[in-house]
Amino acid sequence: QKEVEQDPGPLSVPEGAIVSLNCTYSNSAFQYFMWYRQYSRKGPELLMYTYSSGNKEDGRFTAQVDKSSKYISLFIRDSQPSDSATYLCAMSEEDSSYKLIFGSGTRLLVRP
Amino acid sequence: DADVTQTPRNRITKTGKRIMLECSQTKGHDRMYWYRQDPGLGLQLIYYSFDVKDINKGEISDGYSVSRQAQAKFSLSLESAIPNQTALYFCATSGGGDGEQFFGPGTRLTVL
Repeated sequence: QKEVEQDPGPLSVPEGAIVSLNCTYSNSAFQYFMWYRQYSRKGPELLMYTYSSGNKEDGRFTAQVDKSSKYISLFIRDSQPSDSATYLCAMSEEDSSYKLIFGSGTRLLVRP
Repeated sequence: DADVTQTPRNRITKTGKRIMLECSQTKGHDRMYWYRQDPGLGLQLIYYSFDVKDINKGEISDGYSVSRQAQAKFSLSLESAIPNQTALYFCATSGGGDGEQFFGPGTRLTVL
């Protein structure tokens, strides 16, 4: 079993829809949780960053961490065609924060 | 100019050849990383370096070696390339202990 599980998709939604992307994990020591966005033929770029549990909002994006369920989510409101990309979750432990463990990525397509 | 650059961006080579991938950064970060990305597997850590004299193996270091020539430069070598090393390779940097990493644009390597 992988340490971090992520549905590969693809997930296809119409423009304007609310998108929910999720990851589950098995390591209860994870404290840093990140979402990266990767466009085709580009490197991953950090989208959202959360420490420990709770919610974080940035514009149309909201990241949620539920450590009791070992479950993290990324919500995208009013989705746009430019949001079409692969979304990777990543997480690490507090005393080894440099060792990011990545999910395999979910491919999102937002249809105009 | 990009903060993290990688050369070459694409490379096709033959089995048994020695290949070097180069990474440079202008972010002033001490920590640098090399990852490979395969379809459906996410990003896997090959090597990481905390400074010029501190280099460590990641989860999939067999068949690879690295050199940290300066704070800003980190090279990945495949001493004798094999076809299952065909993948996307990413360099990343980070500046501290909070887990945030910044990625280069990637090198697409094909080993025939």
